[in-house]
Amino acid sequence: DAKTTQPPSMDCAEGRAANLPCNHSTISGNEYVYWYRQIHSQGPQYIIHGLKNNETNEMASLIITEDRKSSTLILPHATLRDTAVYYCIVRVAGRDDKIIFGKGTRLHILP
Amino acid sequence: KAGVTQTPRYLIKTRGQQVTLSCSPISGHRSVSWYQQTPGQGLQFLFEYFSETQRNKGNFPGRFSGRQFSNSRSEMNVSTLELGDSALYLCASTRGSEQYFGPGTRLTVT
Repeated sequence: DAKTTQPPSMDCAEGRAANLPCNHSTISGNEYVYWYRQIHSQGPQYIIHGLKNNETNEMASLIITEDRKSSTLILPHATLRDTAVYYCIVRVAGRDDKIIFGKGTRLHILP
Repeated sequence: KAGVTQTPRYLIKTRGQQVTLSCSPISGHRSVSWYQQTPGQGLQFLFEYFSETQRNKGNFPGRFSGRQFSNSRSEMNVSTLELGDSALYLCASTRGSEQYFGPGTRLTVT
């Protein structure tokens, strides 16, 4: 079973911030939180990852709660091209990579 | 730097045939993982290779196999194809905390 739980779908108005939640209550101390997105029939695209500190890159921000049991991916100014399925996963970096993907969140950007 | 490449991108086979898919990881990445994605089952882990050794394996029948070469390129093979093997096959290239997916190979079995 996947170690993460995400809402199946979300809507966001174009130009607004999209906040995608993820629960990972059984995360281990050495597991990172990763976010990917997948646009129809393409390979998952890496977005961002973090261990316990909040992270930001050119695509998004990742906010991890202090107890590390949940996180939020923030797309600051959503565009129509951000419509995709977003996957939150946990994995131990540098270790064996048997990643169990959940169903992800289907994000709809509304014009 | 160049991303993960997978060949071929599209493939049509008939039941009973076998197929070999190829994945070239990002330069310097020694771990390659394979996934199967179908509409009904989502993304499912097949196996992972590191330094030419299978390090982990998912719950797939023995018809699915793989290998990794000394240059880290990897191949996966599916023998005696079934209609249910129609899927998007993805490989991921990993080094430490970096992990990137390729564009996938779309396999259709008729």
